[in-house]
Amino acid sequence: QTVVTQEPSFSVSPGGTVTLTCGLSSGSVSTNHYPSWYHQTPGQAPRTLIYNTDTRSSGVPDRFSGSILGNKAALTITGAQADDECDYYCVLYMGSGIWVFGGGTKLTVL
Amino acid sequence: EVQLLESGGGWVQPGGSLRLSCAASGFTFSDYGMSWVRQGPGKGLEWVSGFKDSGGTTNNLDSVKGRFTISRDTSKNTLYLQMNSLRAEDTAVYYCAKHRGGVYAFGYWGQGTLVTVSS
Repeated sequence: QTVVTQEPSFSVSPGGTVTLTCGLSSGSVSTNHYPSWYHQTPGQAPRTLIYNTDTRSSGVPDRFSGSILGNKAALTITGAQADDECDYYCVLYMGSGIWVFGGGTKLTVL
Repeated sequence: EVQLLESGGGWVQPGGSLRLSCAASGFTFSDYGMSWVRQGPGKGLEWVSGFKDSGGTTNNLDSVKGRFTISRDTSKNTLYLQMNSLRAEDTAVYYCAKHRGGVYAFGYWGQGTLVTVSS
């Protein structure tokens, strides 16, 4: 049973920088997992932020960046703003047409 | 403009069936993989079922194998999810998602349709 791990919650100050991570319960995340990141506000559909590890979706500001840090995928937000406060999800492609989402990180900006 | 419009959700008793539909527009439907992703009340996102790419290869979450079947009708630009033997734990908002071309990620999402399984 593959489990994708994310921090349940994180807090950042306005204008600050935060890095959210996405790991595997067993093994390392690599670019071969095509890590992607999505954000979601309550009652709304998810929206795509980052795909293919580090490619920003159209219209996503460059203060959002994706990378591999050590054995995890990472989403870094620089210059955090109040409207960045929402839930962030990563998903990894496990091959054979199967994806596994992480449990999500609730980001608070205060 | 890409649009995905889900329908077919509702209330059903445990053991019952529902068929969800996702009407797609704004892109060449037959050229892309598509998936269903769900979100239980107060829970995170969970990939359920999908066409990996424009081919016919499909796969499902282990907990829905043998109960859920994904299909698509390219003449109607519509994705389906036939859900049988429904359980309380299948209660969720079900989102239809269009895959990005060439990479294994989701590019566009519908607004979702709510499925409630309860007696």
